[in-house]
Amino acid sequence: KNEVEQSPQNLTAQEGEFITINCSYSVGISALHWLQQHPGGGIVSLFMLSSGKKKHGRLIATINIQEKHSSLHITASHPRDSAVYICAVWGGSNYKLTFGKGTLLTVNP
Amino acid sequence: ETGVTQTPRHLVMGMTNKKSLKCEQHLGHNAMYWYKQSAKKPLELMFVYSLEERVENNSVPSRFSPECPNSSHLFLHLHTLQPEDSALYLCASSQDPGPYGYTFGSGTRLTVV
Repeated sequence: KNEVEQSPQNLTAQEGEFITINCSYSVGISALHWLQQHPGGGIVSLFMLSSGKKKHGRLIATINIQEKHSSLHITASHPRDSAVYICAVWGGSNYKLTFGKGTLLTVNP
Repeated sequence: ETGVTQTPRHLVMGMTNKKSLKCEQHLGHNAMYWYKQSAKKPLELMFVYSLEERVENNSVPSRFSPECPNSSHLFLHLHTLQPEDSALYLCASSQDPGPYGYTFGSGTRLTVV
């Protein structure tokens, strides 16, 4: 069982919809990352959280340390948001980010 | 471009070939990483270098051999690979080994035939 679980695995939405992607983890952490991976492979860091909430444009990330859960929200989704969204946590052994399998988001026009 | 450049973007190699993947960053970061991303699996950490010294080898087979000649360059030397080694190989860097400030490259898509 992976230490980082994401849901859903796949998500299809219509342009303009509000999107939520969830991440649950089982280890104690000091930081959680949300990453975006476009077709072709490159990964872009969206957020790093250790508590609370962060907002950047239409993206919002929240974390609940007690419940070991984080969510990534996208407001007013757009086809260019189509990508794989990956949750990763830093905790446990040194030098190691532990990654979820990712959520494939497709936003249709 | 994110600041971490990987070459080549795509590589097809036979099981008896020797090839190398290259990663370069000029962000002033002290830590560099190799990750493997196989289909339907999470990213897996392979190697970590801090100030050109290997600090983590995550039980990677010896057919993968990393090299970090300076803090800006990281190589992954490949020899006698297996078809199951086909994957996306991603390089990343951060200021120091730790939870903060990762920058990823675009990856090398490797196919072993």
